[in-house]
Amino acid sequence: GQQVMQIPQYQHVQEGEDFTTYCNSSTTLSNIQWYKQRPGGHPVFLIQLVKSGEVKKQKRLTFQFGEAKKNSSLHITATQTTDVGTYFCAGSNNNDMRFGAGTRLTVKP
Amino acid sequence: EAGVTQFPSHSVIEKGQTVTLRCDPISGHDNLYWYRRVMGKEIKFLLHFVKESKQDESGMPNNRFLAERTGGTYSTLKVQPAELEDSGVYFCASSPRTGRNSPLHFGNGTRLTVT
Repeated sequence: GQQVMQIPQYQHVQEGEDFTTYCNSSTTLSNIQWYKQRPGGHPVFLIQLVKSGEVKKQKRLTFQFGEAKKNSSLHITATQTTDVGTYFCAGSNNNDMRFGAGTRLTVKP
Repeated sequence: EAGVTQFPSHSVIEKGQTVTLRCDPISGHDNLYWYRRVMGKEIKFLLHFVKESKQDESGMPNNRFLAERTGGTYSTLKVQPAELEDSGVYFCASSPRTGRNSPLHFGNGTRLTVT
C-alpha cells in the first residue's frame, strides 16, 4: 500500500537558521497537505499542493511539490521560536490519505 | 465557530478494561475521521464516517475497536478490551466535504495510556 516517509524525524536549529523537512511517497500522489502541530496542541492545516512542480509561499514558509508528484518539501527561512512544533505531510492517492511520521522542530533562541 | 472537541483529554486504564472516546465535530461537517498516533510514528488512519455511515474502516486494527456515529453528529470510539499496544493519542478530525482534497480540522486528541 501507499507509504509516506518523512525526514528528518527531529531537527534542532538556532534561531535565524533555515529548516527543511522532506516528504516522499512510494506512489504518485494526487495532492499533498501540510499540517503543523504545536507542543500540546493538535495538527493544524497549513496548505495543500495539487499541481506537479507547484511552489507556494506563506511568509517565511515555502512549500514545493515535486515534478513527479511523489515528493514534497517544506522550507522555513530564518526560523523563529514560534516555528517550534511537529510538521506533518499527508499525501493523497485514490481517496486514500496517508500521513508521514512528522518532523519535530525545536528552535534555540 | 467551535472547533472539533474530544473527550476525555486523557485516559489511563488497565489492560482488559474498556474505554470510550467521544468526538464532537464542527457543526455541519458531514465527514468525521478517527486517527491514532503512537509516539514518534505517523498519524495513522482508523476510519471515516460520512454522516452516520462508515465510508472507510480499513484502518481499524481489530474487532476490539468499535466506532459509532448515531444520528450523524458526534462519534464514539470504544476499545474493549484494551491492550497495551492501544496506547497512543487518538485524534478526531472533521471536514465539510468528502474527498481527500478537503483540509481536516483536528481535535486536541485523547491521550490513552493502557497499563
